[in-house]
Amino acid sequence: GQNIDQPTEMTATEGAIVQINCTYQTSGFNGLFWYQQHAGEAPTFLSYNVLDGLEEKGRFSSFLSRSKGYSYLLLKELQMKDSASYLCAVRQGDYKLSFGAGTTVTVRA
Amino acid sequence: TAGITQAPTSQILAAGRSMTLRCTQDMRHNAMYWYRQDLGLGLRLIHYSNTAGTTGKGEVPDGYSVSRANTDDFPLTLASAVPSQTSVYFCASSDMAGGPDTQYFGPGTRLTVL
Repeated sequence: GQNIDQPTEMTATEGAIVQINCTYQTSGFNGLFWYQQHAGEAPTFLSYNVLDGLEEKGRFSSFLSRSKGYSYLLLKELQMKDSASYLCAVRQGDYKLSFGAGTTVTVRA
Repeated sequence: TAGITQAPTSQILAAGRSMTLRCTQDMRHNAMYWYRQDLGLGLRLIHYSNTAGTTGKGEVPDGYSVSRANTDDFPLTLASAVPSQTSVYFCASSDMAGGPDTQYFGPGTRLTVL
């Protein structure tokens, strides 16, 4: 199996920036995904990293360092609708994903 | 398009009873997956299928079975439900056509076993 760690909860103010870290231990790394999940809903795809570096997509960016087994998701200009759980998932070898327990982000006015 | 649909939305089931959770996708994706999500544990893979006619075991397969008779449908069966199978169940699919092979999730089924 894989060991994927991310903080349980984070709180930030509307308009601020929040960084969610994810560390993993795996062999045969083949990509890292971030998903967003609002309460009572399905996870939805946010970003994908397979090479080292930063991927930017609007207000959301994701970074990967394969040598450190580390990724982060950066949420900028926070909005109330960004209150959700953020799931880090690692693909090892084939197409199956292993998920972290998720980070619940609460955005306060 | 509908994407992925799951039925039922929620269900209360007596322990010892059997039940089939349905999952249908209209994206012609090759691969399909079943996960359960429990508080504090995240999503855990139960079973998967690379293509119609093939299935495989995930991280927590005990007590569950699947079949993949065609591309679109991937039902999950609990033969004799136990309270520890109380969870939210998500079906997902991916096209396995190269690139990121992103998984897309259905709306989930909330199952309570009493």
